[in-house]
Amino acid sequence: DQQVKQNSPSLSVQEGRISILNCDYTNSMFDYFLWYKKYPAEGPTFLISISSIKDKNEDGRFTVFLNKSAKHLSLHIVPSQPGDSAVYFCAAKSQGGSEKLVFGKGTKLTVNP
Amino acid sequence: KAGVTQTPRYLIKTRGQQVTLSCSPISGHRSVSWYQQTPGQGLQFLFEYFSETQRNKGNFPGRFSGRQFSNSRSEMNVSTLELGDSALYLCASSLVVSDLTPNEQFFGPGTRLTVL
Repeated sequence: DQQVKQNSPSLSVQEGRISILNCDYTNSMFDYFLWYKKYPAEGPTFLISISSIKDKNEDGRFTVFLNKSAKHLSLHIVPSQPGDSAVYFCAAKSQGGSEKLVFGKGTKLTVNP
Repeated sequence: KAGVTQTPRYLIKTRGQQVTLSCSPISGHRSVSWYQQTPGQGLQFLFEYFSETQRNKGNFPGRFSGRQFSNSRSEMNVSTLELGDSALYLCASSLVVSDLTPNEQFFGPGTRLTVL
């Protein structure tokens, strides 16, 4: 049973436009969410995170929104750049006692020049 | 500060053999987690070690094991290798100031294991 779902396997956007990547979760015990970016043959790189006590977190071009009632989060990248082309993973964690992350299957973002 | 390092980066083994992978966390990080990435299953949690103790374990057979040393370095071992164990094995470390404070996990480059 997939507790974290990224329903779009791929997304293509034009350079300079907004990229919106979506993630849904089912486990109500998740209270911390992270986004990672991954290139082939490399480990995931941490991008941004959000705690369940917030509904928005910004870091430069990256903003994550959390809708707890809908169990939905999204990552906005504005403006998108060709170097953003990668696979993006959403991950979730439950509070206390373990660092275990549950990952979605990823969304491959392609930013076209 | 140096990032998470993993050795070796690539490994080729045959069925039935065993393998040991190594991970050195970021200096000061006490938690080390291991993940398996395959095309079909994505990134799946194997286990986590904190202060030399296994704190959590994923849904993998007992052939997968690990340990953590007093300097926080960790190893994972896979015995009696099967073709399906071919994957990218990723190690991640986190600071863990307290269990009430969320911590980011930082990943190493991974070890690509191929089982023939």
